[in-house]
Amino acid sequence: DSGVTQTPKHLITATGQRVTLRCSPRSGDLSVYWYQQSLDQGLQFLIQYYNGEERAKGNILERFSAQQFPDLHSELNLSSLELGDSALYFCASSPFQRENSEAFFGQGTRLTVV
Amino acid sequence: GENVEQHPSTLSVQEGDSAVIKCTYSDSASNYFPWYKQELGKGPQLIIDIRSNVGEKKDQRIAVTLNKTAKHFSLHITETQPEDSAVYFCAASKGRGSYIPTFGRGTSLIVHP
Repeated sequence: DSGVTQTPKHLITATGQRVTLRCSPRSGDLSVYWYQQSLDQGLQFLIQYYNGEERAKGNILERFSAQQFPDLHSELNLSSLELGDSALYFCASSPFQRENSEAFFGQGTRLTVV
Repeated sequence: GENVEQHPSTLSVQEGDSAVIKCTYSDSASNYFPWYKQELGKGPQLIIDIRSNVGEKKDQRIAVTLNKTAKHFSLHITETQPEDSAVYFCAASKGRGSYIPTFGRGTSLIVHP
């Protein structure tokens, strides 16, 4: 168990809808990262938050947004869903350190858009 | 930005054999190279990492080598066991305190008993 909790584990929704994925980082970790994993694209970095503020953006679509709350949990909002958004969405967390170190991944949310 | 290439995409070995997975990276500023193992239905989990000031690191049956000049790094698993079957990802990142790794596409390792 990595200590990172993601809910829900599975989500099936229709095209055009909006969903919210939730992530609770490991206790004490200030950084949260969101990744999208699809069969043909591997693990794609979406966005990073550190202590409530957006720190870095990757290949995140404008239809997607995220935030990190004062209690450090994070939510990823996906709107106007398309079939191609079907993927595994992972959240990871890490403590803030001077040097790069391990990121701890949750078990993911499998999103299926039908 | 950083680009990480990983080969092979699939690797099939017999139990007890060694397995080698290779990655190359493009950004010479990258200084941290972790390897993750992802089992079915689970998130990636770190198995070993190496920093740019080290050429090799070993942890029991797993070792990683880094060639900064050639910008490639490799994962070596010896005496493979069926429980080593999983998808393995290499990654590269740079900077301090900001861990945003770029991942390779993954290698599906199958160990036949």
